[in-house]
Amino acid sequence: RKEVEQDPGPFNVPEGATVAFNCTYSNSASQSFFWYRQDCRKEPKLLMSVYSSGNEDGRFTAQLNRASQYISLLIRDSKLSDSATYLCVVPSGSARQLTFGSGTQLTVLP
Amino acid sequence: SQTIHQWPATLVQPVGSPLSLECTVEGTSNPNLYWYRQAAGRGLQLLFYSVGIGQISSEVPQNLSASRPQDRQFILSSKKLLLSDSGFYLCAWSTFYDEQFFGPGTRLTVL
Repeated sequence: RKEVEQDPGPFNVPEGATVAFNCTYSNSASQSFFWYRQDCRKEPKLLMSVYSSGNEDGRFTAQLNRASQYISLLIRDSKLSDSATYLCVVPSGSARQLTFGSGTQLTVLP
Repeated sequence: SQTIHQWPATLVQPVGSPLSLECTVEGTSNPNLYWYRQAAGRGLQLLFYSVGIGQISSEVPQNLSASRPQDRQFILSSKKLLLSDSGFYLCAWSTFYDEQFFGPGTRLTVL
């Protein structure tokens, strides 16, 4: 099992749609999880941190299921500006190294 | 507030030439520092990390090296570039928590 596995995508959705991305991880000892957003040819930017069962920030909701080792990101009322690649990220070492999933590409269509 | 700088933004180098990429962080002390590479259409690969001045850990064997001469300075180097070294090089920092924050990156093309 890969350390972090994400939906391969791409996801093409109309404006206003709700879209969900899934991610599974292999390290059951992980305590924190992150979703990053990466725009084309730009650096990844932290979108959400998840330390307990979930987190909500406006239109974005992240949920964590520790028993199934599963994280999800839900985007409601999609905007054109949400088009990006979404990276699922899990800590993986004593020096706070991070393991990044391969990313899920989202395109929101007008 | 903390900021992270990388330069140059883009670089085109011939095979066999040397490389030096620099990363500096402002507004924080004793950060952990990281170098990543992202090949075209691929995920992020951790290359090196550093928990303090002069302390470098390598994650993958390669012809690259890293140094940390000052607390907030991290340098990625190569004596002789290969075609396979092309990619998007990202520097990141973290402190007490696990979140990492990335610089704007250097896009390297080796011809």
